[in-house]
Formats: sequence, structure tokens, C-alpha cells
Amino acid sequence: GAGVSQTPSNKVTEKGKYVELRCDPISGHTALYWYRQSLGQGPEFLIYFQGTGAADDSGLPNDRFFAVRPEGSVSTLKIQRTERGDSAVYLCASSQPWESPEAFFGQGTRLTVV
Amino acid sequence: QQQVKQSPQSLIVQKGGISIINCAYENTAFDYFPWYQQFPGKGPALLIAIRPDVSEKKEGRFTISFNKSAKQFSLHIMDSQPGDSATYFCAATFSGNTPLVFGKGTRLSVIA
Repeated sequence: GAGVSQTPSNKVTEKGKYVELRCDPISGHTALYWYRQSLGQGPEFLIYFQGTGAADDSGLPNDRFFAVRPEGSVSTLKIQRTERGDSAVYLCASSQPWESPEAFFGQGTRLTVV
Repeated sequence: QQQVKQSPQSLIVQKGGISIINCAYENTAFDYFPWYQQFPGKGPALLIAIRPDVSEKKEGRFTISFNKSAKQFSLHIMDSQPGDSATYFCAATFSGNTPLVFGKGTRLSVIA
């Protein structure tokens, strides 16, 4: 696609439920990043993939959060047993790091846990 | 530990004026410093970026000034327009395969 695509745009879920957020990066981009942005804050790093493998998952807040990128393209961020504190905008970005450090962001998924 | 500190938190500028946003970083290994612009409901979009081997970079109305010894960099928006009203984030990273570290953002309002 022309840009980074994230689905759904909005997700409302009940506390305790499981959710999956999808990111479709720019075609050919090998690096993929997940960030979380709370209201009035800057994006905070969650996890980074280079190809299919998670190169750095140090930003995941706890073991309820998990992400995969099985074929080195689309990635899914999975959150188990959601809590109200998980409510935020989840942003995905992709880049081709050996060409440029510029990261291109999707529009985000706004997750609301009620 | 906040690695990138951004100020001010909010800024109101008259149309045609100069908007100035400042950032300070701690990690001297950072070597790529982008500024992102974010409109409500949208993801951040790269505005302009600089590497520490230059002290200034200009693209149209947007200029980054970089002070390596002070570990500070700033964004200047000349001839600010109402369409520039958005939230601006500074960031820093190591070039290559590392994630961006963002400041907390500055909400800019340009009033006519």
C-alpha cells in the first residue's frame, strides 16, 4: 500500500477481554515498530521487529502484551485480559533502516477499555 | 528517566509570527533527531530531521537548530500559519535499527 495501514481505527472492548490490533506496513519495509500514545503524551515504544523476529520488546509493559510478524510484513499486537489502563492510541510505524532512519506512521488504533 | 525533554507544553503564536519549540536530550550516542507533526486523529508525520554533524537545517518555513555541546535542538517555524496548528514532537534515535525516543509534545495554536 501507499502508507502504513492500521485496523481497526477504533476498538471498544470490555475489561478482561482479548483484543488484536493489526498493522500493514509500507511494502518492502523490513523494520516495524509499535508505539503506545496516551492522551497528551508522546508515543512510547513497545516493540520492534526486523523481519519476522522481535529485535527489541523491552517496551512491552507486561506479559499481557504480545506481538507477532510471522511473514515479515503484517504485524498483530495482541493484548490479553485488557485493563482500563490499556486505553490509548496504538501506533505502528515502518522503515527501511539501511536506506533511511525515517519512520512512517499509521493513523493509529484508538483502544478504549470500558 | 526521560531521555528527551521538550518545552513548552503548549504555545500560542500570532499568524505570521515565529514558533519556537525546544528539546534537550541526554544520550550522546543519539545521532538522528527528527521532528514530527501530528494532527488530531492522525499519526505523527515527519516534518524535518537533522544529524549532529550540522548545526542547522532549513526546509521551507521550518528550521532545526542543533547545539551538540549543549545537547539541545530546536524547531523554528517562520511565518506561522493557522494550518500549522498541531502537536509537535521532537525525537531522537541511533541511526539504523533502533526505535525513536519521543518528547512529550508541544501543542501549537496559531491564531489569526
